[in-house]
Amino acid sequence: EPEVTQTPSHQVTQMGQEVILRCVPISNHLYFYWYRQILGQKVEFLVSFYNNEISEKSEIFDDQFSVERPDGSNFTLKIRSTKLEDSAMYFCASSEVGNSPLHFGNGTRLTVT
Amino acid sequence: SQKIEQNSEALNIQEGKTATLTCNYTNYSPAYLQWYRQDPGRGPVFLLLIRENEKEKRKERLKVTFDTTLKQSLFHITASQPADSATYLCALWGGYNKLIFGAGTRLAVHP
Repeated sequence: EPEVTQTPSHQVTQMGQEVILRCVPISNHLYFYWYRQILGQKVEFLVSFYNNEISEKSEIFDDQFSVERPDGSNFTLKIRSTKLEDSAMYFCASSEVGNSPLHFGNGTRLTVT
Repeated sequence: SQKIEQNSEALNIQEGKTATLTCNYTNYSPAYLQWYRQDPGRGPVFLLLIRENEKEKRKERLKVTFDTTLKQSLFHITASQPADSATYLCALWGGYNKLIFGAGTRLAVHP
């Protein structure tokens, strides 16, 4: 069964550094998402992306965050200047059409020191 | 403001019994409600979707009900097994392209 893949599985970075989290969504899916989950807390929506532009974003998704689909297969989340509170698990997801179930990757655990 | 509430306390049940998990929501008028399973350190996995005009949906040992008057969904696992132990998340579309998750209920099935 096709799956969403995320790399790396674990990223450690120093405060103030830039990180790029990478995702390969399922190939025929058109909608892409990033979520984050701080340890012990709920899965929080960050951003959705369709037709090469952001569809919706949450208050968390401020100017430090950006997303890009640089080619036909990858979908990336960039955090420009990481803060300690950015430490979390980041999940990428994709869906075939709008309002359909999401398929999630297994996440990148980001640790900011 | 929009809220999705799930019982934050873990549900502990004996193997073979039926587990029932609750999802309540406010300030949504959802056309669909979804349930996901999340295992520790893994991404959520889609289980079932129920539409507003469906009262009940079944898939193998899973059953979901959806009451738009009560603004509530119930998720049942019959003949539960230890392998069903996980966190179960309820989710609603909160905007054009924005799926919002409840905090989840942790289920522990004991042999």
